[in-house]
Amino acid sequence: ILNVEQSPQSLHVQEGDSTNFTCSFPSSNFYALHWYRWETAKSPEALFVMTLNGDEKKKGRISATLNTKEGYSYLYIKGSQPEDSATYLCAFTPSSNTGKLIFGQGTTLQVKP
Amino acid sequence: ETGVTQTPRHLVMGMTNKKSLKCEQHLGHNAMYWYKQSAKKPLELMFVYSLEERVENNSVPSRFSPECPNSSHLFLHLHTLQPEDSALYLCASSQGYSRANQPQHFGDGTRLSIL
Repeated sequence: ILNVEQSPQSLHVQEGDSTNFTCSFPSSNFYALHWYRWETAKSPEALFVMTLNGDEKKKGRISATLNTKEGYSYLYIKGSQPEDSATYLCAFTPSSNTGKLIFGQGTTLQVKP
Repeated sequence: ETGVTQTPRHLVMGMTNKKSLKCEQHLGHNAMYWYKQSAKKPLELMFVYSLEERVENNSVPSRFSPECPNSSHLFLHLHTLQPEDSALYLCASSQGYSRANQPQHFGDGTRLSIL
């Protein structure tokens, strides 16, 4: 069974705080790791797709790193803003089935003004 | 026009009803997906179509019947559903199946409630 674990499940921070959360996935059988941002009543929006060990990607104040050897990815948000409040999903693609995304349960971030 | 459009946004139906969910993508993608999200569970893949052929059926009960008449449209036909089928159903598309180095693009979902 291929499991994707995200932690923490939820997070409350103050505006201006920097924060990070973790996605753990099977280190063997790796093909790709996706991060999505999902605001309430909207559709999940792709943030990053990473395929190489040591990959680092950045989009504005949000960045992500990837360690395929140990099976984890970190998502960082610098200087959180209320509009960053959302659920952040990671999804793993195994090399045995490169058409499939296996999602974690998500980390729900609430940024207080 | 948004990339992936789902209708209806909300649906309430009885267990004996027949209804359909519709998904349309305007991105020129070749692969389309149905996902289910139940309360407090991760997004769960149900079906995948690539170039209008079903390539993945994730042990989904036969009361859910997908249809992909062309690469832009995807339907999920519902019949004799159970209360535990109440969930958010999301449609997604991507450039190609087996190209997981490309992101999937999601619709807003249909919130389904079974009475």
